[in-house]
Amino acid sequence: IAGITQAPTSQILAAGRRMTLRCTQDMRHNAMYWYRQDLGLGLRLIHYSNTAGTTGKGEVPDGYSVSRANTDDFPLTLASAVPSQTSVYFCASSEGRADADTQYFGPGTRLTVL
Amino acid sequence: GQNIDQPTEMTATEGAIVQINCTYQTSGFNGLFWYQQHAGEAPTFLSYNVLDGLEEKGRFSSFLSRSKGYSYLLLKELQMKDSASYLCAVIERDYKLSFGAGTTVTVRA
Repeated sequence: IAGITQAPTSQILAAGRRMTLRCTQDMRHNAMYWYRQDLGLGLRLIHYSNTAGTTGKGEVPDGYSVSRANTDDFPLTLASAVPSQTSVYFCASSEGRADADTQYFGPGTRLTVL
Repeated sequence: GQNIDQPTEMTATEGAIVQINCTYQTSGFNGLFWYQQHAGEAPTFLSYNVLDGLEEKGRFSSFLSRSKGYSYLLLKELQMKDSASYLCAVIERDYKLSFGAGTTVTVRA
């Protein structure tokens, strides 16, 4: 069982370019999340999805979009990358229960926007 | 919204005990998580507290006081492999997880 996979592992991107970060889970979890992690700021929620077909905005959604066409996949798109989007991006998933809903994280994507 | 505070760094000696404190202010509370994150890796789940009191898991214990908005993670018999960042995270009534900035623990021989 792979758990959660993310691709690419790292990427250097020119400002203004479009980029999609991929996330796939094989645990049949209902809920999925995208976070960014920056030094001194901790993990911040970008977007989330409670179940396939639904998405919601987190704390820092501007400049990002997501889709949830099926249970397993939750891609994050940067329509026009800017240097402030340089960060480590983590995808996570959880069962979506009402209590003790532990989130499990993918290995992360290190993105540099120049 | 959330306000979650934890110390930035702590250093301890191999075999010792370290206590990482976390204080939080929230408009709604549905539990508190501790995660461990080694450098360059993903966060991994350590513990979950929703009721007041101490939860023990081997060398790691986590405590919660809901009335004080306070939790701590206790690491006993420290090992070199325990050098990592420890993230306190609070889940609110909308079930979204908010993280503190993390505490980097360095274990020295």
